[in-house]
Amino acid sequence: RKEVEQDPGPFNVPEGATVAFNCTYSNSASQSFFWYRQDCRKEPKLLMSVYSSGNEDGRFTAQLNRASQYISLLIRDSKLSDSATYLCVVNRGNTPLVFGKGTRLSVIA
Amino acid sequence: DAGVIQSPRHEVTEMGQEVTLRCKPISGHDYLFWYRQTMMRGLELLIYFNNNVPIDDSGMPEDRFSAKMPNASFSTLKIQPSEPRDSAVYFCASRIKIDTQYFGPGTRLTVL
Repeated sequence: RKEVEQDPGPFNVPEGATVAFNCTYSNSASQSFFWYRQDCRKEPKLLMSVYSSGNEDGRFTAQLNRASQYISLLIRDSKLSDSATYLCVVNRGNTPLVFGKGTRLSVIA
Repeated sequence: DAGVIQSPRHEVTEMGQEVTLRCKPISGHDYLFWYRQTMMRGLELLIYFNNNVPIDDSGMPEDRFSAKMPNASFSTLKIQPSEPRDSAVYFCASRIKIDTQYFGPGTRLTVL
């Protein structure tokens, strides 16, 4: 079983839609959690960290459920520019980040 | 800050040739990571360094791959001899302690 699992998609949604991505992780020792965004033919970039209490950054909301070892990302009012691959990432401390394979999102006009 | 710098950005070579990828991490970062990304396997960690010392190279596919970090501002990933199945995008990334990890733009390698 992969340490971080994501639905690969693709998710094809119209502009203005709300879309949610889910991610599960297998190592209960994981300490910190992130969503990275990767545009086509570009490098991954940090989108947001995920905190236990849940956190919001504009149209983006991240949630963490430690008991279920589950992370989510919600995007409201989708824009064309949100089209990208979203990578779920976990960290067990001072060790390399572990990346999921990503969920591809296409926002359609 | 210039960010993580990688060169070359694109490399096309023939099977059996030696390939050297280069990386300059962000100044002051004490961790450096080499990743490989393919459609099939996603982003795979090959090796990482802490304070220029290799910590874990268990992700290196085989003896044809080697990596060095002679100083805090430079690292290389070498493939010798290269094979078509090595075709991928190779990313270098750096971070300081457990802070945000930054990726370079990647080297797109094609082995014919």
